[in-house]
Amino acid sequence: DGGITQSPKYLFRKEGQNVTLSCEQNLNHDAMYWYRQDPGQGLRLIYYSQIVNDFQKGDIAEGYSVSREKKESFPLTVTSAQKNPTAFYLCASSMGRAGGDTDTQYFGPGTRLTVL
Amino acid sequence: KQEVTQIPAALSVPEGENLVLNCSFTDSAIYNLQWFRQDPGKGLTSLLLIQSSQREQTSGRLNASLDKSSGRSTLYIAASQPGDSATYLCAVRLTGGGNKLTFGTGTQLKVEL
Repeated sequence: DGGITQSPKYLFRKEGQNVTLSCEQNLNHDAMYWYRQDPGQGLRLIYYSQIVNDFQKGDIAEGYSVSREKKESFPLTVTSAQKNPTAFYLCASSMGRAGGDTDTQYFGPGTRLTVL
Repeated sequence: KQEVTQIPAALSVPEGENLVLNCSFTDSAIYNLQWFRQDPGKGLTSLLLIQSSQREQTSGRLNASLDKSSGRSTLYIAASQPGDSATYLCAVRLTGGGNKLTFGTGTQLKVEL
């Protein structure tokens, strides 16, 4: 099956700890994205990557870090510097520039992070 | 800065009713607009994508329209069914912004038997 997987589905973290959320895709997509969703709010872009070994900050990058060492993988680390990390985190991928006018983002099932 | 607003925030309708969801955006320099569906605790599924040069797109019982000059889009759902119950989000892609999307806050739809 082709698609995007995120793990774990639920994640609990103690204050002061760093945690890493996994995102893997087998769609051969160049571009990958991380969003944060809070109750009653739309998705906000944290980081995005248009190609391997390259990534850019989104609108709310503070307290987060990413890497893009492989085309299939785009892990997100939530650091202790993130003041309010409890949220639903969504990963997406798309063809990127190759997708042209109709480039569409495909989303994973999400990871719910709770800080205890 | 682009802002995207969706009204209403929540909507409850009886099965079979036709309904309209609204999306408005402040910057008309958009590349395209997408409508997504999100089921509780799940990821997003793309429903329709409208290019800035298009006026509408249709898929089955769904019809999305775009009026770029007034900064508005509507999603029309015909003959609603309980399975349509979900949150519907619109998102705009700005020109020159790569594939960065700005999302609205969503409309939570409940279709009752």
